[in-house]
Amino acid sequence: ETGVTQSPTHLIKTRGQQVTLRCSSQSGHNTVSWYQQALGQGPQFIFQYYREEENGRGNFPPRFSGLQFPNYSSELNVNALELDDSALYLCASSLDPGTYTGELFFGEGSRLTVL
Amino acid sequence: TQLLEQSPQFLSIQEGENLTVYCNSSSVFSSLQWYRQEPGEGPVLLVTVVTGGEVKKLKRLTFQFGDARKDSSLHITAAQPGDTGLYLCAGAWDTGNQFYFGTGTSLTVIP
Repeated sequence: ETGVTQSPTHLIKTRGQQVTLRCSSQSGHNTVSWYQQALGQGPQFIFQYYREEENGRGNFPPRFSGLQFPNYSSELNVNALELDDSALYLCASSLDPGTYTGELFFGEGSRLTVL
Repeated sequence: TQLLEQSPQFLSIQEGENLTVYCNSSSVFSSLQWYRQEPGEGPVLLVTVVTGGEVKKLKRLTFQFGDARKDSSLHITAAQPGDTGLYLCAGAWDTGNQFYFGTGTSLTVIP
């Protein structure tokens, strides 16, 4: 069973640029959630994708967008990068939504630095 | 702004000591989970609690869900250096498994 994998692991961008982060979900999982984690803080929910549709969104502006593909892998896109976007971006896969006792399986994250 | 506030934010203790971490919210949750995150890794699930007043034990770790399902605590007995990490609570409503994480408690256990 393959775990959740994210790429790239680290990247540096400048203000105003755009970035795409990628996530492969754990085998058998059809739901992907994205989180932003500032250093030493808890992850903040960005959005969730279920069967290629957005299935809930946290308090993030529209320049944060995503996709989920038929194989359940996912992308997080951030446009017009700002300095405050510097963070660890975590992807978590899980089974169907609606099971609020379900476990989130996290990748190791993508560390984004915006200069 | 995070819905779940954890305290303390930082905790540094000697090996063998006991500690308690608190997770509080003004919201009622359908379930609450505790995760531990080590540097360079994603969070890993420790436990899920769903019933108000529920207590679960995992070796030296004891988790409690408040009667009103708004708060939770994690108690560690006889802490060990391997317990070092960032402890996160996360709550969900019954609309789906969209978990909202707490502010985190960074624990360091000194040998």
